[in-house]
Order: sequence, then structure tokens, then C-alpha cells
Amino acid sequence: DAKTTQPNSMESNEEEPVHLPCNHSTISGTDYIHWYRQLPSQGPEYVIHGLTSNVNNRMASLAIAEDRKSSTLILHRATLRDAAVYYCILLAGGTSYGKLTFGQGTILTVHP
Amino acid sequence: DTEVTQTPKHLVMGMTNKKSLKCEQHMGHRAMYWYKQKAKKPPELMFVYSYEKLSINESVPSRFSPECPNSSLLNLHLHALQPEDSALYLCASSPLAGSSYNEQFFGPGTRLTVL
Repeated sequence: DAKTTQPNSMESNEEEPVHLPCNHSTISGTDYIHWYRQLPSQGPEYVIHGLTSNVNNRMASLAIAEDRKSSTLILHRATLRDAAVYYCILLAGGTSYGKLTFGQGTILTVHP
Repeated sequence: DTEVTQTPKHLVMGMTNKKSLKCEQHMGHRAMYWYKQKAKKPPELMFVYSYEKLSINESVPSRFSPECPNSSLLNLHLHALQPEDSALYLCASSPLAGSSYNEQFFGPGTRLTVL
């Protein structure tokens, strides 16, 4: 499985944008880039995913580098509720059965 | 109904006990998953069911026995567990298996303590 590298932790202030980086230099052409987050005492929650183009949804934006070796999850205005562990995961194309392999993730702290 | 439910929320069991964890979804999803999460660690995949058939077993010890009686229900039967099996057990579902673009919906988990 292709691996991802994320910073252990990041901090932000409320109402400010947050850019969470992820490196995946061994990504293959059919790997999708998924982001999940896990709030304290809850199960993981899907955030966004993409393949090649940048993606936007109601929760966040995903910016994918042209060579696909890195990506950035963008929270446009952080709230206290966004404090969580954020996981960047590569999901192999083909018969992967949706096998999510979680790395250590980035712990995001949001200050009031 | 867009949620995955898990029961019980908490479970304490002895090493000789037999217990079961239950997971349910009514979103019509055809793939269901069990994950194990130790404290301060990321979730680790245990099993994947696709169309009620076991598709992936991540070399999980036989003291964990999954069962998928129908497309909405997933059980995890526990027998002769060890204290190191204490963890949060998470269930998830997704619309299709064999897909790399479907999101997975997770339940809140069952917190298991083995004495």
C-alpha cells in the first residue's frame, strides 16, 4: 500500500483557514486520495476525496498537486468543532474492497 | 436513516466469556467493515464483507469471528479474548465494495475491556 506522511500536529485559531498537508510520493495512477477525521470519542468521519482535480464540498476543499505526490486539505474557517485527528489515506483502485489503511494522522487543535 | 449503529456502547468481559458486538445500517450499503482501534492509535482494518461474503480477513486471530447474517447487519463474535484485545471496535459501511471512491460511514464504536 502506498504510504502517506502528515505532520503530527497543527494549531489554528478559530475563524481562520487551516491547510493540512499530506505527502504521498509513491502514489500510483489509480489511487484515490481520501481524508477522514476523528473527533474525540467518535468514529472516523469522511471529509472529502479526489483523484486528480481539486475538489470542494460543504466541509472542506482538497487541493491536489499536479504530480499528485502531495495534497492539502483546506478548512476555510476553522471552528472549535473542527478539532480532531485528520487522516490522509490512499485508496487503491481496482479490487481494494475499500480497504482504508490509516496512518498516524495530524492532530488539529483550534484555539478560541 | 444515514447512520451506523453499534451495540453495546461499552462491554466488559472476562477471558473465558463469549460475547458479541452488533452493527446495523439501513442505508442499503453492500460493504461492511470491522476496525480495531487501540488507545491513541489509528484504526486498523480487521474484516471486510462484500455482499454478505467475507472478502478480507487481515490475519485476525480466530478468537474474533465475524458474521454477516444479512445486508444490514454485521456481528463480531468474541471468545477467549486476551487483555490486549481491549480496544474500541468500530464498524463501518459503504455503498459498494471493490470501490476506491466510496466513502465509508462509521459507527461510534464499542469500547471493549477484557479483564
